[in-house]
Amino acid sequence: GAGVSQTPSNKVTEKGKYVELRCDPISGHTALYWYRQSLGQGPEFLIYFQGTGAADDSGLPNDRFFAVRPEGSVSTLKIQRTERGDSAVYLCASSLGQGDGNEQFFGPGTRLTVL
Amino acid sequence: DAKTTQPNSMESNEEEPVHLPCNHSTISGTDYIHWYRQLPSQGPEYVIHGLTSNVNNRMASLAIAEDRKSSTLILHRATLRDAAVYYCILRAGGTSYGKLTFGQGTILTVHP
Repeated sequence: GAGVSQTPSNKVTEKGKYVELRCDPISGHTALYWYRQSLGQGPEFLIYFQGTGAADDSGLPNDRFFAVRPEGSVSTLKIQRTERGDSAVYLCASSLGQGDGNEQFFGPGTRLTVL
Repeated sequence: DAKTTQPNSMESNEEEPVHLPCNHSTISGTDYIHWYRQLPSQGPEYVIHGLTSNVNNRMASLAIAEDRKSSTLILHRATLRDAAVYYCILRAGGTSYGKLTFGQGTILTVHP
């Protein structure tokens, strides 16, 4: 079946611009997660949704980052006034629920480069 | 989240078993031990998880020490496709904690 998809696969932008990254989770998965991964590091948690609401946004680095999931399915991560330090691979994952045994299924990521 | 410690890298030969260690001396009683791996240029994928008892699935086995302060992921016969970064993660029990906290992981190299 279809896995988690993310678009675009690559995004190059200039410092100060606004970007949107999209995540399509596996159908029926109620939990959705965003992570970002810098070169040579493990993924770093940003935010997760249970349904339409953000259950934990403690990983968002500052108020330039915002994410929505208006209908409880597709999610968009929005970054305002991008900085070179925002360059990373942004990963999305989904799971059936948020309990202990619910494995997270990851998408291939969006590679964001801020020039 | 409690911290895990893994070797930076390990090497194996194809078709040999691989034992990937993880230390988690500050694990709490409700923490689950999860393993994910990340193949080159892909997102992480779930491997296995457990609480107290050893676990087996089609991908691997998880051996958990009796005091739960360490665990070992066992790949019974390594293939070239198993070359990846392996992450050992402690995840708090209960339904309120969804996030995974990744460390640096172990880079596994498999030689043909």
